Order: sequence, then C-alpha cells, then structure tokens
Amino acid sequence: QVQLVESGGGVVQPGRSLRLSCAASGFTFSSYGMHWVRQAPGKGLEWVAVISYDGSNKYYADSVKGRFTISRDNSKNTLYLQMNSLRAEDTAVYYCAKGSHLVATMRGIDYWGQGTLVTVSS
Amino acid sequence: QSVLTQPPSVSAAPGQKVTISCSGSSSNIGNNYVSWYQQLPGTAPKLLIYENNKRPSGIPDRFSGSKSGTSATLGITGLQTGDEADYYCGTWDSSLSAGKGVFGGGTKLTVL
Repeated sequence: QVQLVESGGGVVQPGRSLRLSCAASGFTFSSYGMHWVRQAPGKGLEWVAVISYDGSNKYYADSVKGRFTISRDNSKNTLYLQMNSLRAEDTAVYYCAKGSHLVATMRGIDYWGQGTLVTVSS
Repeated sequence: QSVLTQPPSVSAAPGQKVTISCSGSSSNIGNNYVSWYQQLPGTAPKLLIYENNKRPSGIPDRFSGSKSGTSATLGITGLQTGDEADYYCGTWDSSLSAGKGVFGGGTKLTVL
C-alpha cells in the first residue's frame, strides 16, 4: 500500500532554515508528480509546491517562491522541501502528497502523508 | 483570501443530500481539472473526486462531482454522521507568470 512518511519538522527561529523529507513506498515513485501542501493551525489547506516525476519541472506558491525549494531523489524514493528564511506565517503542518499524474499539475492528489509540524517562533 | 470560493459551512439531516460549490475563474477551474478532498477532524485530507467527476476506488457513489464553466460542485447523497468533515476543492491555476495549485477555503459539513 502507498505510504508517505514525512520527517524533519520541529521548532525553528525566524530567518533560519529547515529541510523536510518524505519517504515514499508502495508505488513507483519515479512515475508521479509530488506535492507539498501545508495547513496552518485551525486554517484551510494551502498548496506549497509540486515537482514533476523526473524533477524537470517545479512550481511554487507565491508565498514561498524564492525561499522554498522542492526536490526529489528517485533513487531513494524521497521527496524534499528545503525551507529558507522562515517566517512565523510558515508555521503549519506540512503534508507530502502524491499526484495522480506524472506531470507537475493538479489533476488530483491521491495519497497524503500524516504531516509534520513546523513551528517558526523565537 | 482563497482563489477558489466555497461556502464556509453547509448542513443537512442524515439521509438527505447536500451540495458544496466551488467558484473560480477561467485561469483555474475554467481550463483545468477540479478535485475534491475530505478532511475528517485530526486527519490528513483524503481524495474524493479527481478530474472533475471521477471517484477513486473505495469512494462510494454517494459522492459525485461536476463542473460547469468556472464553477464546480460536490454532491453527497444519503448523508451519514461520519460525513461530518471539512471539504476542499482544488485545481491548477494557469496564470500568466507560472502555474500553481490552488485550494478553496474549505466548507464545514454538519450532519444535523
């Protein structure tokens, strides 16, 4: 069965960096686009970034563009999110999620991890 | 302010039918697929509908999706107390600069 396990969350000071990882199993990781979606406490879902199956295409939400970088290692079945210059408003649960298609778009996000909490606070 | 507009809340009695709307524009819903997600309290979202009206395996046919122009609708029939959750629509936004994913603000369903 599909499993997505996030790690790397925690408490970090404003302006610092953090890297999230997502270990994928149960499907052919290299054949699907992958997303990061976040949810601030008590708020709705916010799409963060997507990467195509081969890493050649990446797209970002305006709120993180230039600060966050999505990447993947298909040899390790792992998705990453490098987060720099963190702000208090980046505080959220970050979900790793599998796209239903190989390209970097949003036809449907069919599997989600359980999420990892990132808290940006001094 | 979300790019996609959903009603904050809807409610209906058990056994009844409810619809949840999702309004967008030509740059998003009008020219891209819509998907719908259910988020039960304290859990990760779950895909209910993809590519406007397709159900993943395991999703009962009580759940349906449709799209017309720049709006989409999620329908749920035979409401059960277990359907109480937050529901989100999502799609791609093909704006001028670069594409991006977008979600609606979410709709809280109460089964009275």
